[in-house]
Amino acid sequence: DARVTQTPRHKVTEMGQEVTMRCQPILGHNTVFWYRQTMMQGLELLAYFRNRAPLDDSGMPKDRFSAEMPDATLATLKIQPSEPRDSAVYFCASGLTGNTIYFGEGSWLTVV
Amino acid sequence: QKEVEQDPGPLSVPEGAIVSLNCTYSNSAFQYFMWYRQYSRKGPELLMYTYSSGNKEDGRFTAQVDKSSKYISLFIRDSQPSDSATYLCAMTPSGGYQKVTFGTGTKLQVIP
Repeated sequence: DARVTQTPRHKVTEMGQEVTMRCQPILGHNTVFWYRQTMMQGLELLAYFRNRAPLDDSGMPKDRFSAEMPDATLATLKIQPSEPRDSAVYFCASGLTGNTIYFGEGSWLTVV
Repeated sequence: QKEVEQDPGPLSVPEGAIVSLNCTYSNSAFQYFMWYRQYSRKGPELLMYTYSSGNKEDGRFTAQVDKSSKYISLFIRDSQPSDSATYLCAMTPSGGYQKVTFGTGTKLQVIP
């Protein structure tokens, strides 16, 4: 059963600390997305990659967030320094040419 | 004003009821419309996908798009307790992986 795998599932960290979230997309999928979900804003696209190249990161605060795909099996989202307003669920999703996006189960981040 | 508006609910219905979930949008460029279902503490999963105006049926689910009114709906017939989840509408100007804009979701509870 192919699925998008995200780690960590839960993270509590102190303000100012670096947070790194990792994602293993479904094997063979060439497009990877990072979304952030909050009660107030819903799902917001932070960045997405196609064939490991960043296509759009306009939704991401550039001063503290960075997203990379070191290889086809790993995507990372880093926050440095983290702030309480970054507390949210971060979803990675992947897909192939077409219309279906498969989401992971999310990384639940709390910054205190 | 957000591009996509969705009543957050919660919406409580008895088992067997017909459920109507709705979204309005402001961007006339949206052509592809989707409904995702998200169970508690899980990632969203694609339920229905439609292009332009019209209806699409899949089992107990019917998706309806009225582009002239910028209004989309998801109907669930014979609702079941297992349908209890948050339903997110989503839309994009074109197929493939251009930026997908999500609604904030409507929480549905089906009471046995």
